[in-house]
Amino acid sequence: GDSVTQMEGPVTLSEEAFLTINCTYTATGYPSLFWYVQYPGEGLQLLLKATKADDKGSNKGFEATYRKETTSFHLEKGSVQVSDSAVYFCALSRRSGGSNYKLTFGKGTLLTVNP
Amino acid sequence: GAVVSQHPSRVICKSGTSVKIECRSLDFQATTMFWYRQFPKQSLMLMATSNEGSKATYEQGVEKDKFLINHASLTLSTLTVTSAHPEDSSFYICSARDSGPSGGNIQYFGAGTRLSVL
Repeated sequence: GDSVTQMEGPVTLSEEAFLTINCTYTATGYPSLFWYVQYPGEGLQLLLKATKADDKGSNKGFEATYRKETTSFHLEKGSVQVSDSAVYFCALSRRSGGSNYKLTFGKGTLLTVNP
Repeated sequence: GAVVSQHPSRVICKSGTSVKIECRSLDFQATTMFWYRQFPKQSLMLMATSNEGSKATYEQGVEKDKFLINHASLTLSTLTVTSAHPEDSSFYICSARDSGPSGGNIQYFGAGTRLSVL
């Protein structure tokens, strides 16, 4: 079945440091890939997405490129801020059963950015 | 972006009572909504898939008689936790899939409901 593996945290960085959170996936066909972010006590917010190979999703300084050859979708940001502290989830979506598009999530990576 | 409203954000109830959680897509139609449960410091566990006008599809191990799902319109799905017990205490999150022509089938999430059963 489908699966998503992302680097385990927690990750602790200083402000303005470079961030990479690795994510690899296993799926048949051509899934869409997502990064969601969850701030404390809140639901998930879509951070960025990519729907086909070589697509680059970007938002708020974060980027991730859909690499089919390595089945990866690593999240990067050049200079993190304290406000980026949150849990980041990598996920894939593939049509499953009729018109359903279930999301398969990684376990999440807690990022803490210190001033 | 698309907005999903989930209500209430927090509920405390006595053991044995039932609790209803609402999930609304505010600016798009959602033929499919999803209900998740999240344990502390863990990922989301899909409980069920809710399709407008039909019965929900439950994941293995989820009791359909305890977690009643109704998806009566294209913008509203409800989850009712029946006869709640302390072990049902958790963070419940809904999502709605934007199935419109430009929606990209992306799931948008509600802010979650913290259920505490005393």
